[in-house]
Amino acid sequence: DADVTQTPRNRITKTGKRIMLECSQTKGHDRMYWYRQDPGLGLRLIYYSFDVKDINKGEISDGYSVSRQAQAKFSLSLESAIPNQTALYFCATSGAVGTRGTGELFFGEGSRLTVL
Amino acid sequence: AQKVTQAQTEISVVEKEDVTLDCVYETRDTTYYLFWYKQPPSGELVFLIRRNSFDEQNEISGRYSWNFQKSTSSFNFTITASQVVDSAVYFCALSSIYNQGGKLIFGQGTELSVKP
Repeated sequence: DADVTQTPRNRITKTGKRIMLECSQTKGHDRMYWYRQDPGLGLRLIYYSFDVKDINKGEISDGYSVSRQAQAKFSLSLESAIPNQTALYFCATSGAVGTRGTGELFFGEGSRLTVL
Repeated sequence: AQKVTQAQTEISVVEKEDVTLDCVYETRDTTYYLFWYKQPPSGELVFLIRRNSFDEQNEISGRYSWNFQKSTSSFNFTITASQVVDSAVYFCALSSIYNQGGKLIFGQGTELSVKP
């Protein structure tokens, strides 16, 4: 089983619908992230959380919200989806350097979202 | 602000050629981390290397090598004797040591195509 699991893997929805992407991890990391990948733009950070009580906006948080339900779970919501939110979404985890990890991100397999 | 630039959008080589992927970064931090990730056609993101800014030694791992030049803010990646399996999108990324790693800023990616 994957250490970082995203559901759903693929989703097609309509403009205006509410969508939730879920992420769970078994790596025991405190830090979790949501990134969005668009062709030619690389990966851009949407939200991140360094522990259960910590939520921070990334560079492109408008139109998104998150919930950190537990150390192992971090969900991303699109309250009212629009077509330019069509993208590949990645959840990631990391351990802080010097504690439980070396700072690199461990990614889920991605969730491809299409908004019509 | 931090920024990573991968000026080469696409590179195409013939198998067994050597290829270098360029990465230039901007940061005001004096200490930071640099990373390379590989995204094969299957879509997952695979961690390749992490480099601390205070360690300017070049690194070699099999056919892969990395050249870190702090003076020019570059962290280039060379594949020697490329193979078809090296075909992928490669991302360079940067994070601040003040976050103890994590929260990576990614470049736009370079799509490498290795033809037989």
